[in-house]
Amino acid sequence: DQQVKQNSPSLSVQEGRISILNCDYTNSMFDYFLWYKKYPAEGPTFLISISSIKDKNEDGRFTVFLNKSAKHLSLHIVPSQPGDSAVYFCAASAKSGANNLFFGTGTRLTVIP
Amino acid sequence: ETGVTQSPTHLIKTRGQQVTLRCSSQSGHNTVSWYQQALGQGPQFIFQYYREEENGRGNFPPRFSGLQFPNYSSELNVNALELDDSALYLCASSLAGQGAIDTQYFGPGTRLTVL
Repeated sequence: DQQVKQNSPSLSVQEGRISILNCDYTNSMFDYFLWYKKYPAEGPTFLISISSIKDKNEDGRFTVFLNKSAKHLSLHIVPSQPGDSAVYFCAASAKSGANNLFFGTGTRLTVIP
Repeated sequence: ETGVTQSPTHLIKTRGQQVTLRCSSQSGHNTVSWYQQALGQGPQFIFQYYREEENGRGNFPPRFSGLQFPNYSSELNVNALELDDSALYLCASSLAGQGAIDTQYFGPGTRLTVL
């Protein structure tokens, strides 16, 4: 039962252009969402998060948008750089319980120089 | 400030054996969560420890057990290893408690191979 879904396994973007990574969720109890970036042989690195009381959060080149009614969030990276090439995981948690994260299956982003 | 560290980096075991993986949480963090990441999948929650007590558990059998120590470091123990236990095991620490939300920071993981 995959409660967080990333339907695009891979994405290729030219350097300097915008990268848009998408994520959908099914559990309406989720109220905190995070994006992690993962390089091979490393653990996920926290990138940016958003609480359900907001619909946008921005940090430098990274912006996360949340559409609660559609149960959809997206990560925008602009401009994309070759160093952004990695696997990006979307994750969600709920306030109750252990606050454990539910992860999507990841999207591999390749930024072409 | 030191980040999350895990040991060992890699481990090879055979079916039926037992394994212990270790995690040191980020300085100041009191909560440790363990995740299993199978090849091609996202990490899946195993359990979480908060102030030395289990604070939630995912859909994993009892042969997966854990401990958290007074210094907030943690161990994950897996008994009676099965081939499907081969995965990357990730530890994440956070400064949170029951009902609170905080960002979890991950270690580099331990790659376990069961033959």
